[in-house]
Amino acid sequence: DQQVKQNSPSLSVQEGRISILNCDYTNSMFDYFLWYKKYPAEGPTFLISISSIKDKNEDGRFTVFLNKSAKHLSLHIVPSQPGDSAVYFCASTGTASKLTFGTGTRLQVTL
Amino acid sequence: EAGVTQFPSHSVIEKGQTVTLRCDPISGHDNLYWYRRVMGKEIKFLLHFVKESKQDESGMPNNRFLAERTGGTYSTLKVQPAELEDSGVYFCASSRGANEKLFFGSGTQLSVL
Repeated sequence: DQQVKQNSPSLSVQEGRISILNCDYTNSMFDYFLWYKKYPAEGPTFLISISSIKDKNEDGRFTVFLNKSAKHLSLHIVPSQPGDSAVYFCASTGTASKLTFGTGTRLQVTL
Repeated sequence: EAGVTQFPSHSVIEKGQTVTLRCDPISGHDNLYWYRRVMGKEIKFLLHFVKESKQDESGMPNNRFLAERTGGTYSTLKVQPAELEDSGVYFCASSRGANEKLFFGSGTQLSVL
């Protein structure tokens, strides 16, 4: 039973526009949420995170929004750049330190 | 500072054979994790070491998988005997503290034929 779901396997966005990646979770014990970015043949790298006590966290071009009542989070990238093309994984954690990941969304930023 | 190193990067073996994957965490990182991604699905937790002790091995699929971290430095993950469904990318990650940011290695792509 998947506790973290990324329902869009892929997304294509034009350079300069906004990319919005979505993630839903089912476990109400999750209290910390992260986004990881993965390039081919590399491991995931941490991008941005948010605690359940917040509803927004911003870091440069990247903003994560958390809607606890809907158990939904999203990652906004604006403006999108070609170097942002990668697979983005949503992940969550609760009292244990292990991460539960989604299946990933492949973002393609086109020129 | 060197990152998390995994060896080999690729391994192709036949069903029934044994394979051992190695992970060298970032120096000073007591926490070491193994994860696996099968066939484009989610990245799944396998187990967590704190130094040389297994903190959580709830994600280990079955007793064909054996992880060790002797001396609390590098770790090995052995699959014996390998089955077709074990194919996937095995990632190792490390962190200084249990709730601190994870740093991932590039993974080992395991193909069982």
